[in-house]
Amino acid sequence: SQQGEEDPQALSIQEGENATMNCSYKTSINNLQWYRQNSGRGLVHLILIRSNEREKHSGRLRVTLDTSKKSSSLLITASRAADTASYFCATDAYVFAKTSYDKVIFGPGTSLSVIP
Amino acid sequence: KAGVTQTPRYLIKTRGQQVTLSCSPISGHRSVSWYQQTPGQGLQFLFEYFSETQRNKGNFPGRFSGRQFSNSRSEMNVSTLELGDSALYLCASSLLQGETQYFGPGTRLLVL
Repeated sequence: SQQGEEDPQALSIQEGENATMNCSYKTSINNLQWYRQNSGRGLVHLILIRSNEREKHSGRLRVTLDTSKKSSSLLITASRAADTASYFCATDAYVFAKTSYDKVIFGPGTSLSVIP
Repeated sequence: KAGVTQTPRYLIKTRGQQVTLSCSPISGHRSVSWYQQTPGQGLQFLFEYFSETQRNKGNFPGRFSGRQFSNSRSEMNVSTLELGDSALYLCASSLLQGETQYFGPGTRLLVL
């Protein structure tokens, strides 16, 4: 099963509406990141939120992190057609026994369609 | 700064052949990770290199291998290609392990 799982799998909204995507994970994490991917191209980093942070903003993006529930949400406000893409959350964890970071795990993604 | 570059961008091979993909990280970045993306399996971690050492490895067969050079450039090799190896291979670099990753455009491999 996935470490990170986005919900919903697909979302279709009208331009101007807000879009909310959720991510759940299973193990303790060091940080959580959100990425966007357009049409099978490379991923673009959106936001990194650390485990000791609860909320972070970047332009029209707002990310929350609830470590007690092992979940995060990405809110895109006033969506635009250009926001149409797949959105992924990715988690990693600092493994103290190894004194290094474990591999980054990506969820299956949420496919967002913004209709003009 | 120039972004992460990957070469080649597209590749067609036949079963049984081998392939080498190249990744040049952002200048100054020492960590390079590789991912395989397919419609069925999504984004799967292959391996991560930091300062020429493999730090983490995903659940892929030994046909998949990689290395990192002293200038942080990285290559991954797939030997004895199978049809199921057809995928988008993404490389990402970060300044340090565990930090924000910056992705290249990917190499799309088609195995016939």
